[in-house]
Amino acid sequence: GAGVSQSPRYKVAKRGQDVALRCDPISGHVSLFWYQQALGQGPEFLTYFQNEAQLDKSGLPSDRFFAERPEGSVSTLKIQRTQQEDSAVYLCASSLSTGGIEAFFGQGTRLTVV
Amino acid sequence: GIQVEQSPPDLILQEGANSTLRCNFSDSVNNLQWFHQNPWGQLINLFYIPSGTKQNGRLSATTVATERYSLLYISSSQTTDSGVYFCAVGYSGGGADGLTFGKGTHLIIQP
Repeated sequence: GAGVSQSPRYKVAKRGQDVALRCDPISGHVSLFWYQQALGQGPEFLTYFQNEAQLDKSGLPSDRFFAERPEGSVSTLKIQRTQQEDSAVYLCASSLSTGGIEAFFGQGTRLTVV
Repeated sequence: GIQVEQSPPDLILQEGANSTLRCNFSDSVNNLQWFHQNPWGQLINLFYIPSGTKQNGRLSATTVATERYSLLYISSSQTTDSGVYFCAVGYSGGGADGLTFGKGTHLIIQP
């Protein structure tokens, strides 16, 4: 596609519910990143894929967070047993290659846990 | 990890004014990007500038990698320039390739 596409744009979840957020990167982009942006803050790195390999998951805040990219294109970020502190905007980015190449961001998914 | 400091945190200007936004970072980087986050939350790419100087219309940016800072210049500000400007840096290697963002500069352009 022309840009990075994320869905849904908005998600309201009850505390304890599992959620799945989808990211469609720019076609042909090797690298895919997930970020979490709390209100009034800058985005914070969660995890990084090179094709289907998850090379860095150091930013995932707990073992309730899980990401996958099984075929090296679309990625899903799953949050199990959501808690109020998980409320944030989740941003996905992709870049053509590796090694410090320009990244392009999707519009994000705003998750609200009630 | 790399620390990123942006200044000023807030800036209020009249339409037509010029502004300079600064980004300091604590370590060597091979990726530096400036973004504008619009009111709908979309991060718009302004510059990919790990070193050197670039210009795009009323905007320009300079990164002095050896001194670990970057500057974003906005000339003849318009109300549509309002929003949050983020600097993000990264160093790829050893399997790591993510960006570290500053806290942003919140710019308000008044008519």
